[in-house]
Amino acid sequence: QVQLQESGPGLVKPSQTLSLTCTVSGGSISSADYYWSWIRQHPGKGLEWIGYIFYSGSTYYNPSLESLVTISVDTSKNQFSLKLSSVTVADTAVYYCARERAPVGYYGLDVWGQGTTVTVSS
Amino acid sequence: QSVLTQPPSVSGTPGQRVTISCSGSSSNIGGNTVTWYQQLPGTAPKLLIYGDNQRPSGVPDRFSGSKSGTSASLAISGLRSEDEAHYYCASWDDSLNVFGTGTKVTVL
Repeated sequence: QVQLQESGPGLVKPSQTLSLTCTVSGGSISSADYYWSWIRQHPGKGLEWIGYIFYSGSTYYNPSLESLVTISVDTSKNQFSLKLSSVTVADTAVYYCARERAPVGYYGLDVWGQGTTVTVSS
Repeated sequence: QSVLTQPPSVSGTPGQRVTISCSGSSSNIGGNTVTWYQQLPGTAPKLLIYGDNQRPSGVPDRFSGSKSGTSASLAISGLRSEDEAHYYCASWDDSLNVFGTGTKVTVL
């Protein structure tokens, strides 16, 4: 079965760029059946959707984060990535990658990574 | 700030039936399907319900979803100790995937 695994630095300094990668195993990221998402959860808070990417490279972002976020895909490595620029302490959160079957909005996020904690601090 | 409102907490005794409400508007629940997620302490969310009322393979039929107008509900029947978790509803709103505020279910 498909598994997702996030990786990246656990500590990022304010004003720098947060970079995370999600590695997909047990299935192909190039499938036209799925979208690949990033979600975050602030400490003790609820879930916030960041955006998603399709294997073709098409992206859609949360408007509140759009100017700071870039999601990209590397089909040769079966990975997709998140970059969040100009981070502040408010970006401290657990970051999850997840898969959603097309069409988005109906099938939900059915496979999640275990999450990775990112702390923004000097 | 989420546009989908859930009660902060719900509790019940083992074997009881509890329901969690999710209140939205015509731009989200009223016009799009609802999904529900369960998040056990220290773990990633798990998909419980999609398409308003469909259960993924492996989800017990104790969990059921429903929707009426701009509100949705998740019911847990035969409450068990392992159901103690946070539960989130979600829907699309103007091309934005939004999650509910979350509900903590406590098994007394």
